[in-house]
Amino acid sequence: GQQVMQIPQYQHVQEGEDFTTYCNSSTTLSNIQWYKQRPGGHPVFLIQLVKSGEVKKQKRLTFQFGEAKKNSSLHITATQTTDVGTYFCARAGGTSYGKLTFGQGTILTVHP
Amino acid sequence: EADIYQTPRYLVIGTGKKITLECSQTMGHDKMYWYQQDPGMELHLIHYSYGVNSTEKGDLSSESTVSRIRTEHFPLTLESARPSHTSQYLCASSEYPLGYEQYFGPGTRLTVT
Repeated sequence: GQQVMQIPQYQHVQEGEDFTTYCNSSTTLSNIQWYKQRPGGHPVFLIQLVKSGEVKKQKRLTFQFGEAKKNSSLHITATQTTDVGTYFCARAGGTSYGKLTFGQGTILTVHP
Repeated sequence: EADIYQTPRYLVIGTGKKITLECSQTMGHDKMYWYQQDPGMELHLIHYSYGVNSTEKGDLSSESTVSRIRTEHFPLTLESARPSHTSQYLCASSEYPLGYEQYFGPGTRLTVT
């Protein structure tokens, strides 16, 4: 199927350490989206990547889309306690009326 | 902040009861979605709609049903709740094809006893 595999499932870091989560697909992705869900909250859109090799930055967050458009990563520099939550990648179906297939998510905990 | 609302936020109900989870959005989005999510787990699409009077089942089989009579309203109904239906239900909308970005409501945490 058109699944996306996300690793790691859990990541525990000390505040100030970096964090990376990876999203992999066996098939070429038309685009990839990233969402953040705070504990007890709902997913919030972070960014969409469309182009091969694309790199986008949002303050301490860096998003990359692989050259082959089969993988993506989210990197957080110098984590803060406000970064805690679950980070999901999601692939869009090209003609599936905007449907998204979400990865399993990476749960990030940050110890102060 | 997206204008998408869900009620109730929390619901505890007994087995066999009929329930309706409400979802409304004021953004005029054509596309709306229902996801089911267990704590700490991934989101599973259970229903979606790409406009008034059109609904489709999602990737995860669900005993729930949906309707889309008005653009802004996308309620989900369980005719007979069971403990296995205990979960969080998230509603979302998007304005495809301008962007696949989905806006999520706050969710309804359902517990069936």
